[in-house]
Amino acid sequence: DQQVKQNSPSLSVQEGRISILNCDYTNSMFDYFLWYKKYPAEGPTFLISISSIKDKNEDGRFTVFLNKSAKHLSLHIVPSQPGDSAVYFCAASAKRGSTLGRLYFGRGTQLTVWP
Amino acid sequence: DTEVTQTPKHLVMGMTNKKSLKCEQHMGHRAMYWYKQKAKKPPELMFVYSYEKLSINESVPSRFSPECPNSSLLNLHLHALQPEDSALYLCASSPARGGRSQPQHFGDGTRLSIL
Repeated sequence: DQQVKQNSPSLSVQEGRISILNCDYTNSMFDYFLWYKKYPAEGPTFLISISSIKDKNEDGRFTVFLNKSAKHLSLHIVPSQPGDSAVYFCAASAKRGSTLGRLYFGRGTQLTVWP
Repeated sequence: DTEVTQTPKHLVMGMTNKKSLKCEQHMGHRAMYWYKQKAKKPPELMFVYSYEKLSINESVPSRFSPECPNSSLLNLHLHALQPEDSALYLCASSPARGGRSQPQHFGDGTRLSIL
């Protein structure tokens, strides 16, 4: 059962525009959410995270928004650059309970930024 | 450059061979993880070590045997693997298992092919 879902397998955006990647989760115990970026032949690279006590976290061109009532988070990249082209994974974890320390990943969204 | 180093980068082995994958981090992290990733799929958790003790085994077949000799090193011993075990094997580390919200940092993985 997929507890973290990324329903868009791919997204294509023009350079300079905003990229919005979406993620939904089902487990109300999740309280820490992360985005990873993955290039081919490399491991996932941590991008940005957000704790459930916040609804927004910003780091340069990257902003993550969390809507706890909807169990939804999104990653905004603005402006998008061709080097942002990669697979983006949403992940979630819980600080308590039997799932402690375990990351649950979505299936990923392939972002392509074209010039 | 990743701060989690995995060797070798590529490994081809027969089904009767014994080999080991190695992972090293010098960030002082006390939790280390093994993941398996198949093409176009998210990483799947295999094992979690917390303070050098195995804390999670995701019902992984015994042909995979993890070992944590010290807080900086994590090994995965392989024996009698099957062709379906061909995948990218990722190592990750984090300051601690759960607790404070801290991301896991991944190595670039070992691409394993079983003949």
